[in-house]
Amino acid sequence: GNSVTQMEGPVTLSEEAFLTINCTYTATGYPSLFWYVQYPGEGLQLLLKATKADDKGSNKGFEATYRKETTSFHLEKGSVQVSDSAVYFCALSENVQNTGNQFYFGTGTSLTVIP
Amino acid sequence: DVKVTQSSRYLVKRTGEKVFLECVQDMDHENMFWYRQDPGLGLRLIYFSYDVKMKEKGDIPEGYSVSREKKERFSLILESASTNQTSMYLCASSFSVRSSYNEQFFGPGTRLTVL
Repeated sequence: GNSVTQMEGPVTLSEEAFLTINCTYTATGYPSLFWYVQYPGEGLQLLLKATKADDKGSNKGFEATYRKETTSFHLEKGSVQVSDSAVYFCALSENVQNTGNQFYFGTGTSLTVIP
Repeated sequence: DVKVTQSSRYLVKRTGEKVFLECVQDMDHENMFWYRQDPGLGLRLIYFSYDVKMKEKGDIPEGYSVSREKKERFSLILESASTNQTSMYLCASSFSVRSSYNEQFFGPGTRLTVL
């Protein structure tokens, strides 16, 4: 079946540090991959996505590359800010016949950035 | 911008009460979803719907039902609320049934407490 495993948190970093949050997946077909971010008290927002192998998604300084050979989609940012403090979710989407695309989410990684 | 709204941000109910959580999206999306979010468990799919009057069980449908009478509205019903249903409930919608590329758009969530 499909599943997503992401690095457990919480993660605490100093401002301007380098961030990596690991994400690996298991899928039966050819999924699309996503990173969502959830700020305190809010719903999830799409951060970036990649729809095929070797695609790189990027947004707001965050990047992730779809690696089919290692079934990974690690999130990176070169220099984090306090405003990046949030919970990050890795997800995959695969098309299911007749019922459309279903999502599978990781358990989330909490990031706190301290000044 | 796509907007997904949920009827309440915070809700407190008593054990045994019938609870209705409403979700409305304004972008003519075909798919709608209800998740619950609990610490350490990530997002778990309760029910989803890919068309009006259609519904499919997710991973944890027990104790819940749903209704989709209009395309833009998807309701989650707790027939008899119990304390173990205290959680954050997130509604989401997505566009095309046929493609895994399409991200899900989330509402702000309803934090339900059952006493």
